[in-house]
Amino acid sequence: NAGVMQNPRHLVRRRGQEARLRCSPMKGHSHVYWYRQLPEEGLKFMVYLQKENIIDESGMPKERFSAEFPKEGPSILRIQQVVRGDSAAYFCASSMDTAPQAFFGQGTRLTVV
Amino acid sequence: EDKVVQSPLSLVVHEGDTVTLNCSYEVTNFRSLLWYKQEKKAPTFLFMLTSSGIEKKSGRLSSILDKKELFSILNITATQTGDSAIYLCAVQETSGSRLTFGEGTQLTVNP
Repeated sequence: NAGVMQNPRHLVRRRGQEARLRCSPMKGHSHVYWYRQLPEEGLKFMVYLQKENIIDESGMPKERFSAEFPKEGPSILRIQQVVRGDSAAYFCASSMDTAPQAFFGQGTRLTVV
Repeated sequence: EDKVVQSPLSLVVHEGDTVTLNCSYEVTNFRSLLWYKQEKKAPTFLFMLTSSGIEKKSGRLSSILDKKELFSILNITATQTGDSAIYLCAVQETSGSRLTFGEGTQLTVNP
């Protein structure tokens, strides 16, 4: 039973490019959460999705960021026109229904140069 | 807005010492408090606490919640170098599933 899988583990983008981060939840989990961790800071909630629905996106920046969790395939966090301030570790967690998020992926470390 | 404050922010001890990490919180509709250990990768789940006064224990780690005073502590006895990590506290509301994390405590255990 594979855990929460994120890819890529490391992603380097130039300013202005697009970044796509993928998260495959644990088998049987239909709830996905994205968090961002800036250097020397704790994790900040971004968005909570169920299959084909965004439940809570109150932590997402209003511009350039979007997320989806299609019926088939992984959840995608998309950042358009990246800026240096987007450099961070992006973690995904999954759970069954509203159980606590005990399972996090290894994260994607995005570096914008 | 929910708030979680952890203290100390960093702590350096010697192997064999006992440490106590603190977490205080303000949340509108409290459901649970969670502790995680984060080494250079994903946070690893340690404990979930929902009721006051009931100690959760796993090996040398234990944790307890005080819902009246709105805080939790995480104790680690007989620390080892492998305990070096960032310890994160998070709270979850009843109204949704998002977690609000504290800044973390950076624990360093020296041999």
